[in-house]
Amino acid sequence: AQSVSQHNHHVILSEAASLELGCNYSYGGTVNLFWYVQYPGQHLQLLLKYFSGDPLVKGIKGFEAEFIKSKFSFNLRKPSVQWSDTAEYFCAVNVALDPGNTPLVFGKGTRLSVIA
Amino acid sequence: DTGVSQDPRHKITKRGQNVTFRCDPISEHNRLYWYRQTLGQGPEFLTYFQNEAQLEKSRLLSDRFSAERPKGSFSTLEIQRTEQGDSAMYLCASSLVIGEDTEAFFGQGTRLTVV
Repeated sequence: AQSVSQHNHHVILSEAASLELGCNYSYGGTVNLFWYVQYPGQHLQLLLKYFSGDPLVKGIKGFEAEFIKSKFSFNLRKPSVQWSDTAEYFCAVNVALDPGNTPLVFGKGTRLSVIA
Repeated sequence: DTGVSQDPRHKITKRGQNVTFRCDPISEHNRLYWYRQTLGQGPEFLTYFQNEAQLEKSRLLSDRFSAERPKGSFSTLEIQRTEQGDSAMYLCASSLVIGEDTEAFFGQGTRLTVV
C-alpha cells in the first residue's frame, strides 16, 4: 500500500520568502503525484500533478514541483510567496492503472502561514 | 456552479442517530470517491464507485457506514448509530476515467458533529 509523508507540519514565512514543502511517498511501482491546496473555508483544489514525462512540473499560481524517483520525493516550491498563499497543502499519490487509477492517498498536510 | 456539490454543509446530530449525506459529482464523471478528514489530518479514503458499482471499501468503513450510487450519478453516505468518533469532515470527489484517469475534483464537504 502507498503512504505519503509530509515532514513540515506548520511553516511560517514572510512575504517574498522562498518556499519548499517536502513530500515523500512509499511505493515501488509507477505512481502519479499531486499537490492539492485548501484555502481557509474552501474545498481542496489541485495545484499541480505529475503523471509522466518532465519531472519538473509547473502548476497554478507560480508553484512547481520536482519528482525525484530515486528519492521517492515530490517537493513543492515557490520562489516568492504571497500572503494569499496562506493555506493547507496536501501531497497525494495514486497508482497508475489501466483503466483508471487507485484512489488518492494523502499526506497529513502542511499548514503554510505567510506573514506581512 | 458545475463542480462537485455536497449536502448538507453542516450536520449536528446526537450520538446514536442515523445521518445521510449526499454528493452530486460533476455530471460526466464516472468515478465518485468518499473521504473523511479530521483535524490535523489529510483526507482518508473511505470508498469509491465506478458508475454504480462500489469497487473498494477501506477498513475505516465500519459496518455502520454504507454508501450507494444507485444510478451512477449522485451518491449517498449513511452512518448508522453515530458515535462521537464519527465527527469529521466528509469529502466527496469525482473523476472521469476513459482509459486514463483525470484528476479528482473535490466538493466542499459535509462537516459532521456528533454530540
